[in-house]
Amino acid sequence: GENVEQHPSTLSVQEGDSAVIKCTYSDSASNYFPWYKQELGKGPQLIIDIRSNVGEKKDQRIAVTLNKTAKHFSLHITETQPEDSAVYFCAATNRDDKIIFGKGTRLHILP
Amino acid sequence: GAGVSQTPSNKVTEKGKYVELRCDPISGHTALYWYRQSLGQGPEFLIYFQGTGAADDSGLPNDRFFAVRPEGSVSTLKIQRTERGDSAVYLCASSHQQGGQFFGPGTRLTVL
Repeated sequence: GENVEQHPSTLSVQEGDSAVIKCTYSDSASNYFPWYKQELGKGPQLIIDIRSNVGEKKDQRIAVTLNKTAKHFSLHITETQPEDSAVYFCAATNRDDKIIFGKGTRLHILP
Repeated sequence: GAGVSQTPSNKVTEKGKYVELRCDPISGHTALYWYRQSLGQGPEFLIYFQGTGAADDSGLPNDRFFAVRPEGSVSTLKIQRTERGDSAVYLCASSHQQGGQFFGPGTRLTVL
């Protein structure tokens, strides 16, 4: 089955700088890669997703890149703001149902 | 419109008791999912419904866990003879066909 590895587990960046979170997956059949943001006491919130037929997708300050050959995908947040502080999860699936999540990255935005 | 809602938000029970956790998906979403999240971990898949039927229940840890969705909307996750190891946040998500999954706030279950 699919296995998703996520790094780093914790990331601290100065407000205004960029943050990058990286993930790898094991199942070459995976074709859908969502990213979720989870704040304390809340459920995960879908912030962006990418399918395997594209290599990059951008939505304002958030971008995702996908390298299918290397089975890597990354989340990039530019011009970080205090409200970006949260736990971020990458995930992968080939069936749009049984999503396999990484273990999460706790992002701290430093003032 | 309203998002996914889950009740109760918190549930404390004693070892051996039976619990039911409820999920109200986003209106019109045909697919419904249950996940379990332990502290410091990502959500772990339990079961997936397409309409009224369980399309994939491979994530249910054992036969103490059961879920239903009798009318294709609200779903109930049922746990019999609860154990301390069942303590976790139980998350529900819904989606429309092949759209992204949208999560509820979760039910925090504590088994004493």
